Amino acid sequence: SYVLTQPPSVSVAPGQTARITCGGNNIGSKSVHWYQQKPGQAPVLVVYDDTDRPSGIPERFSGSTSGNTATLTISRVEAGDEADYYCQVWDSSSDHVVFGGGTKLTVL
Amino acid sequence: EVQLVESGGGLVQPGGSLRLSCAASGFTFSSYEMNWVRQAPGKGLEWVSYISSTGATIYYADSVKGRFTISRDNAKNSLYLQMNSLRAEDTAVYYCARKYYYDSSGSYFDYWGQGTLVTVSS
Repeated sequence: SYVLTQPPSVSVAPGQTARITCGGNNIGSKSVHWYQQKPGQAPVLVVYDDTDRPSGIPERFSGSTSGNTATLTISRVEAGDEADYYCQVWDSSSDHVVFGGGTKLTVL
Repeated sequence: EVQLVESGGGLVQPGGSLRLSCAASGFTFSSYEMNWVRQAPGKGLEWVSYISSTGATIYYADSVKGRFTISRDNAKNSLYLQMNSLRAEDTAVYYCARKYYYDSSGSYFDYWGQGTLVTVSS
């Protein structure tokens, strides 16, 4: 089965740039989506199709892919960005949705 | 306003059964594919099951296949998850999530419910 690998945690100071990676075999051939989840809340989509932002999501959130890694970049990090972030793809070979293990972003 | 409201969670003994419901409103439910996603306490998101808009196509995660059954009633704007032979590792918050297509093949989950907690314990 397809596996997505994320670092368990990332820490960054306010105003700096956070980069959260998501590794998967040939992930560049898939569409990667990113969700933000704050404690006690349902996930919210922040980036879809590798690089696109839903309406209402700040431009500070951006996505990219290169090789076997997708990256969510959060520029000018704010305290309110502290949350868990999950990458997600559709694995067509198994007809399964796959989530990464999640990354806890801590704003120092 | 799109709303998804889950219900039916609770405490159940190992080996027991539970039926979750997800009531949808604010959109044409019969036009959308739906999913169940769960999250064990302190853990990450895990996709559980998918159902097409008509119910004709269904997929399950390997961890629940043969024990869980997804279904829908478009006349009642409702999604269901029948969970049998429950195990301790099924303990989680269960979310229903709407699938949205942004192009001919790409999709993501655009609306989620607030979840319902299922606890499997003796």
